[in-house]
Amino acid sequence: EDKVVQSPLSLVVHEGDTVTLNCSYEVTNFRSLLWYKQEKKAPTFLFMLTSSGIEKKSGRLSSILDKKELFSILNITATQTGDSAVYLCAVPHMEYGNKLVFGAGTILRVKS
Amino acid sequence: GAVVSQHPSWVICKSGTSVKIECRSLDFQATTMFWYRQFPKKSLMLMATSNEGSKATYEQGVEKDKFLINHASLTLSTLTVTSAHPEDSSFYICSARTWTDTEVFFGQGTRLTVV
Repeated sequence: EDKVVQSPLSLVVHEGDTVTLNCSYEVTNFRSLLWYKQEKKAPTFLFMLTSSGIEKKSGRLSSILDKKELFSILNITATQTGDSAVYLCAVPHMEYGNKLVFGAGTILRVKS
Repeated sequence: GAVVSQHPSWVICKSGTSVKIECRSLDFQATTMFWYRQFPKKSLMLMATSNEGSKATYEQGVEKDKFLINHASLTLSTLTVTSAHPEDSSFYICSARTWTDTEVFFGQGTRLTVV
């Protein structure tokens, strides 16, 4: 059965800290891995990763995929209180219309 | 990026009534839409996959007579919670993808409260 595991489940840091969120996966016919940020409403898209070793970057956020070891990390540098959210990792299940298999999420709280 | 509009964003209804939630892709044709349910402090749980012009595929444990899904066009899918009960209170989110893309786009979500 396809599985996505995120760690840690929750994290509290101070503004300015750097955080690393982890996502490991077991899925047949892997094609991509997606990161989302969820605040009070629906998830907003951050990154889609398809190739190993190529870092994707957006401002203070970056992410990389390791297809050999079956994991991805999401880095946030110089954290701000606005980064407080749930970060979700998901992998499309290719055999079933690309339904997304989600990890449990990492709850990040950034204290000022 | 592509826009998915979900309506209403919140709804309160009486126990025993039915509630319809709409999910529209505004600037692309969505061959497949997904309906999720999210409990407080939990991740998204896929309820069903909706394909335009065919019956929805429900995940194990989801009652299809309770959660009616209709995907009548390439831009609209609806989820109807029939005979709602307080335990159906939850956050429901739809998402949609195009046939060319593995990326999915989420609606804003609907907070349903059944009293």
